Amino acid sequence: GESVGLHLPTLSVQEGDNSIINCAYSNSASDYFIWYKQESGKGPQFIIDIRSNMDKRQGQRVTVLLNKTVKHLSLQIAATQPGDSAVYFCAENSFSGGYNKLIFGAGTRLAVHP
Amino acid sequence: DTAVSQTPKYLVTQMGNDKSIKCEQNLGHDTMYWYKQDSKKFLKIMFSYNNKELIINETVPNRFSPKSPDKAHLNLHINSLELGDSAVYFCASSQFGVKEEQFFGPGTRLTVL
Repeated sequence: GESVGLHLPTLSVQEGDNSIINCAYSNSASDYFIWYKQESGKGPQFIIDIRSNMDKRQGQRVTVLLNKTVKHLSLQIAATQPGDSAVYFCAENSFSGGYNKLIFGAGTRLAVHP
Repeated sequence: DTAVSQTPKYLVTQMGNDKSIKCEQNLGHDTMYWYKQDSKKFLKIMFSYNNKELIINETVPNRFSPKSPDKAHLNLHINSLELGDSAVYFCASSQFGVKEEQFFGPGTRLTVL
């Protein structure tokens, strides 16, 4: 289930289940979005990206869905494994002053139980 | 074969001290960034340099001074450290005009006592 704790919202899933992590973004003009995975003690690692002219993109075991109407992004992980346990961030690209800037969401902790 | 590296990994220091964190990338990118991640995992950009030129400065106290000696390096110097500076600092890099994806370093955990 999904819960909001003192720090990060946490999604707890059973190994083998599918996981869906949601993200709301703020700027309707954002044209590029990335999902990052951050394991404990490490830096964020790129998972998958999507441009605003698409509404779905698939990778290996991961799918990103983009709903521009409601400014919503989701990351679906198929057959979740213990190694998927991490904090997941969505980021939207903001183009300002001639340069790109990534604005990160608050993050969701994914806990995978055997 | 490390893409983005930072030193040190951990930094523990007293309030009022001055410290530096170093970052190097071997990806051939022309843009580098510093981010601060607080205890709630919130990740916020502080600075960005493109070809050694400052392009983003997110209203960071002027105790923080980034320096880019060349495209592959972006260092962060912090003067008069305060308790609220305790956080994990991440360096990242990207190639402007190619793709917005940023590659992150392993982070430096700064603890101010």
